Amino acid sequence: AQSVTQPDIHITVSEGASLELRCNYSYGATPYLFWYVQSPGQGLQLLLKYFSGDTLVQGIKGFEAEFKRSQSSFNLRKPSVHWSDAAEYFCAVVLNSGYSTLTFGKGTMLLVSP
Amino acid sequence: DAGITQSPRHKVTETGTPVTLRCHQTENHRYMYWYRQDPGHGLRLIHYSYGVKDTDKGEVSDGYSVSRSKTEDFLLTLESATSSQTSVYFCAISDIGTDTQYFGPGTRLTVL
Repeated sequence: AQSVTQPDIHITVSEGASLELRCNYSYGATPYLFWYVQSPGQGLQLLLKYFSGDTLVQGIKGFEAEFKRSQSSFNLRKPSVHWSDAAEYFCAVVLNSGYSTLTFGKGTMLLVSP
Repeated sequence: DAGITQSPRHKVTETGTPVTLRCHQTENHRYMYWYRQDPGHGLRLIHYSYGVKDTDKGEVSDGYSVSRSKTEDFLLTLESATSSQTSVYFCAISDIGTDTQYFGPGTRLTVL
């Protein structure tokens, strides 16, 4: 069965430092991959997605992610974190492309220190 | 932002009572989904719909039913609420050929 693993439950990063959030997937075929962000008390906002083509994808708010098939990974990065980036981040993979159902990782909470 | 609303946004109810949550979209998207979010579990799919009157079960469908009589509305019903159904419920929509879901603001349900 398809699965998504986010190894880090919490990460603390200093403001202005770089960020990398890890995501590994288990999937038999070429996956469709997503990163979502959730601010406290809010819904999920799409940051970026990978379907095919260039393995480095750019998203909103200065985020990018790189698909590495050999490592079954889709890590999210940002060169310089802002305090407003503090939120929970979810990686997801399309479970059934026919109906676009998603499987989510359990999330990584990002804390930003001054 | 996608035109998705959920009602109610907050609800407190008692064990054994029926509860219906509503998801309404203005995007005319074909697919609609209900998820629940619990600490340590991320989001888990409850049910989804791929058209009017066409629905299917997700990962955690026990104790839930859904209905979709119109493109814009997707209802989630807890026939007899239990404390284990205390959660935050999210609706999402997606259109044919996009494989991208957009989420509503969520409903926080507490079952006492």
